[in-house]
Amino acid sequence: QKEVEQNSGPLSVPEGAIASLNCTYSDRGSQSFFWYRQYSGKSPELIMFIYSNGDKEDGRFTAQLNKASQYVSLLIRDSQPSDSATYLCAVDNFNKFYFGSGTKLNVKP
Amino acid sequence: NAGVMQNPRHLVRRRGQEARLRCSPMKGHSHVYWYRQLPEEGLKFMVYLQKENIIDESGMPKERFSAEFPKEGPSILRIQQVVRGDSAAYFCASSETMNTEAFFGQGTRLTVV
Repeated sequence: QKEVEQNSGPLSVPEGAIASLNCTYSDRGSQSFFWYRQYSGKSPELIMFIYSNGDKEDGRFTAQLNKASQYVSLLIRDSQPSDSATYLCAVDNFNKFYFGSGTKLNVKP
Repeated sequence: NAGVMQNPRHLVRRRGQEARLRCSPMKGHSHVYWYRQLPEEGLKFMVYLQKENIIDESGMPKERFSAEFPKEGPSILRIQQVVRGDSAAYFCASSETMNTEAFFGQGTRLTVV
């Protein structure tokens, strides 16, 4: 079983819609959860992190964490074509970052 | 405060040669991680190091790959006797302490011909 699982996509949404990206993890002891965005040919960049159950909002981005269900999600409101990228979920377990394989998001103008 | 610096950005090696990839973490960061990304695939953990110590190398292939993070200087990922399957992007990330976010370098793209 992979430590972090994501649907590879691609997920296609029209411009202005809400994009919902999901991630599940296997280790209940995981404490820290991160979302990275990676444009094609570029390195991953951190966009959000969350440690506590519930929602965390930052601009158009909302991260949601449910430790009981071992589930993390990222919502992108008012999606823009510039949001088209691969979104990587990462879980910190005893300071080893496990990454999911990423979900490719395509926002169509 | 410069970010995580990796060099070279692009590296071409012939089969059987050695590849050395360098990573200088952000200032004040003592934790370094190496990841490999094959084309069209996600990031795969390779190794986690702190200064002078390998903490977890469970993602490293058993042969030909090694990593170090000396007291002075950058972290080095070394691949001996490269094969075509080693062609990938190798990313380094660093973090300040345990359980804090990691920041990535721009990666080294290794091509084995």
